[in-house]
Amino acid sequence: SQQGEEDPQALSIQEGENATMNCSYKTSINNLQWYRQNSGRGLVHLILIRSNEREKHSGRLRVTLDTSKKSSSLLITASRAADTASYFCAALNYGGSQGNLIFGKGTKLSVKP
Amino acid sequence: NAGVTQTPKFQVLKTGQSMTLQCAQDMNHEYMSWYRQDPGMGLRLIHYSVGAGITDQGEVPNGYNVSRSTTEDFPLRLLSAAPSQTSVYFCASRSDREGGTPYEQYFGPGTRLTVT
Repeated sequence: SQQGEEDPQALSIQEGENATMNCSYKTSINNLQWYRQNSGRGLVHLILIRSNEREKHSGRLRVTLDTSKKSSSLLITASRAADTASYFCAALNYGGSQGNLIFGKGTKLSVKP
Repeated sequence: NAGVTQTPKFQVLKTGQSMTLQCAQDMNHEYMSWYRQDPGMGLRLIHYSVGAGITDQGEVPNGYNVSRSTTEDFPLRLLSAAPSQTSVYFCASRSDREGGTPYEQYFGPGTRLTVT
């Protein structure tokens, strides 16, 4: 069963705009991670936020985590055409899922130049 | 480091045939896993291993076998291929030891499998 569910399923924006993707998960977590997948390629880790953190930044990425609502958001600022990809959240719960990352279905981001 | 490597990149099988998808990592990661990715379904966990000699089932294990005789290798075997196994298969590894980048998973480039 999918742990994370991303919203929206697809997002189309212009270069320079910000892109926000949301993720909801079902159980308690140790950390939540975001991955990026370019078409036809493997997934690449972007950022990890632990359950005791509320916000984290990495370059143009900003991730927030609200454990009371079991939700997270990924913000990409000043988007570029090269950011076009699918983005997945993945929840890690050592106790409930034997330490397996459970992925959502992803948000497909298209950034138009 | 080569990271996580997978072979082959593409494969076409007939129903009933068997094959092994190879996966290797050179980062001394103790945890390895196999996922399948289908359109609109995200990634679903097939099997995983927390160390050499230890394997366990994920969400969708039926029709697949794994073994982990070494830290580096984690092959996935399709016993009798079915059209429902047409998918893209990803192998991943990670370390959960503190120091470095714990809990981040590194993915291979994938194997695109078609079963006719």
